[in-house]
Amino acid sequence: KQEVTQIPAALSVPEGENLVLNCSFTDSAIYNLQWFRQDPGKGLTSLLLIQSSQREQTSGRLNASLDKSSGRSTLYIAASQPGDSATYLCAANVDDKIIFGKGTRLHILP
Amino acid sequence: GAVVSQHPSRVICKSGTSVKIECRSLDFQATTMFWYRQFPKKSLMLMATSNEGSKATYEQGVEKDKFLINHASLTLSTLTVTSAHPEDSSFYICSARRRTLYNSPLHFGNGTRLTVT
Repeated sequence: KQEVTQIPAALSVPEGENLVLNCSFTDSAIYNLQWFRQDPGKGLTSLLLIQSSQREQTSGRLNASLDKSSGRSTLYIAASQPGDSATYLCAANVDDKIIFGKGTRLHILP
Repeated sequence: GAVVSQHPSRVICKSGTSVKIECRSLDFQATTMFWYRQFPKKSLMLMATSNEGSKATYEQGVEKDKFLINHASLTLSTLTVTSAHPEDSSFYICSARRRTLYNSPLHFGNGTRLTVT
């Protein structure tokens, strides 16, 4: 059974710092892995999707990597801003089921 | 980009009544839609997978008679919470995937906050 774990559960960093969010999954037979952002009481915004054949994807200040063999993905946020404060979720697509981690609550200190 | 519209965004109902939540893909056809439930400070929990024209597939522990899912067209899926109770109060989110693109990203609605009094 696929399990997705995100570490840390919460993170506070000063504005301007670079940071890394971690996601691990137990079943390496994933189709893809997707990172989302969720603001309080809101739905999800897709940030990056990495196919199983890819190793990383970039969008603006965001870079996501995927290492299937070790069951890990990271989301790198460069030059963090207060507007980046949100909960970040990773989700692994396994056999057409999307399994979410519990998320990392990120707070950027102005 | 792809847009998924979920309605209503908030609903308050009395215990014992039923509530219907709609999920629409506005600019693409969605063969498959997913329904999730999120408890406070918890991750999203997949409730069921909805395929157009067929019965939904429910996850273990989800009562299919309580959470009725209908996917009548390629752009609309509905979740009806029947005989709602306070413990059904939660945040419900739907997602959709483009037709024929099995490995495409999911697009999410903005969620529905259900409060049962």
